[in-house]
Amino acid sequence: KAGVTQTPRYLIKTRGQQVTLSCSPISGHRSVSWYQQTPGQGLQFLFEYFSETQRNKGNFPGRFSGRQFSNSRSEMNVSTLELGDSALYLCASSLTGFGTDTQYFGPGTRLTVL
Amino acid sequence: AQTVTQSQPEMSVQEAETVTLSCTYDTSESDYYLFWYKQPPSRQMILVIRQEAYKQQNATENRFSVNFQKAAKSFSLKISDSQLGDAAMYFCAYQFTSGTYKYIFGTGTRLKVLA
Repeated sequence: KAGVTQTPRYLIKTRGQQVTLSCSPISGHRSVSWYQQTPGQGLQFLFEYFSETQRNKGNFPGRFSGRQFSNSRSEMNVSTLELGDSALYLCASSLTGFGTDTQYFGPGTRLTVL
Repeated sequence: AQTVTQSQPEMSVQEAETVTLSCTYDTSESDYYLFWYKQPPSRQMILVIRQEAYKQQNATENRFSVNFQKAAKSFSLKISDSQLGDAAMYFCAYQFTSGTYKYIFGTGTRLKVLA
């Protein structure tokens, strides 16, 4: 079974631009979660999608948004980029999103904002 | 608000020795999940071990075991017979079981394994 894939792997943007990151979950997984990883803050939960619906949301500004498609693939969008948005963005998929299911993480997208 | 604290930013262990990574959390919930995840350098994060809060028995997975102290809200990870491949960032995480299912992660502990 193919693992979780994320594209692109690296991105360089400038302040004020917007960016879209993509995540393809493991086949059959319906839950996709997104996290922001920075050296000082660790991993912070952005949001979780299940069957095309946003089920949970972390404490991030409205500039961060996402969506999930009928094939469970998910995209995350960040508008009006700020320097502080530079981070590794990880997505993870699981069957249902419940704690009994193992979350499988992708390799991440490294976003650098100049 | 729920929080997860890993007070050891970095630890070192000699190959074949045992090391314990600490994690404390704060919650008013009675039912939840706790996890340890491993993130090797430049590689994907993987689940090491999972503990359901309602289970009193500590979870074990081969060389990895936890010491779950619910009343103290402590969840430490013990790695026995440490191997070079154990070198990684280790994250402790908490997951709600009611309503939302979002995860809260600690800031991580970098484990170095010395040959």
